[in-house]
Amino acid sequence: GDSVTQMEGPVTLSEEAFLTINCTYTATGYPSLFWYVQYPGEGLQLLLKATKADDKGSNKGFEATYRKETTSFHLEKGSVQVSDSAVYFCALSNSNSGYALNFGKGTSLLVTP
Amino acid sequence: EAGVVQSPRYKIIEKKQPVAFWCNPISGHNTLYWYLQNLGQGPELLIRYENEEAVDDSQLPKDRFSAERLKGVDSTLKIQPAELGDSAVYLCASSGPGQRAGELFFGEGSRLTVL
Repeated sequence: GDSVTQMEGPVTLSEEAFLTINCTYTATGYPSLFWYVQYPGEGLQLLLKATKADDKGSNKGFEATYRKETTSFHLEKGSVQVSDSAVYFCALSNSNSGYALNFGKGTSLLVTP
Repeated sequence: EAGVVQSPRYKIIEKKQPVAFWCNPISGHNTLYWYLQNLGQGPELLIRYENEEAVDDSQLPKDRFSAERLKGVDSTLKIQPAELGDSAVYLCASSGPGQRAGELFFGEGSRLTVL
């Protein structure tokens, strides 16, 4: 079945450092790919998405490109802030599962001043 | 616009006791999901409703878990009897006909501790 694998955390970075969180997927057909974020004490919320190969999703300075050839959707940000500290989840949805989200295990990010 | 509302936020029970979680989705959202999130893991789908119909309950442990969405609006997830391994966060999410596939709105979750 479909699955998502993302790098394990925790990831600790200094403010203004470059961030990469790796995500790869296994899926049939043409899934849509997502990054969701969970800030401390809050619910999961959509960060960005891409619905087809070579699409780039972006939001709040984060971006990720849907790479079908490497089945990847890595999350990047050029300069992280303390407020970016959260848990980040890579996910996919596919027509064969009624478009329900299939999540990775999450990567915890801590940004220090 | 109010978000997805879940209650209770926290629940502590003894094993073998019953427990119920309630979810009120965003107004107009016809699709409702219950997810289970274990500590350090990503959410896993338990059940998906389209209006009042459960269209995917393949991952719901039906021996002790049940869910309902009688009028196609709010929903209840029940565990009876609870086991130690049920300690987790139960997430409710919803999406509407205007949302693209995979764009879900989540509640803050109900954290269950079974002693």
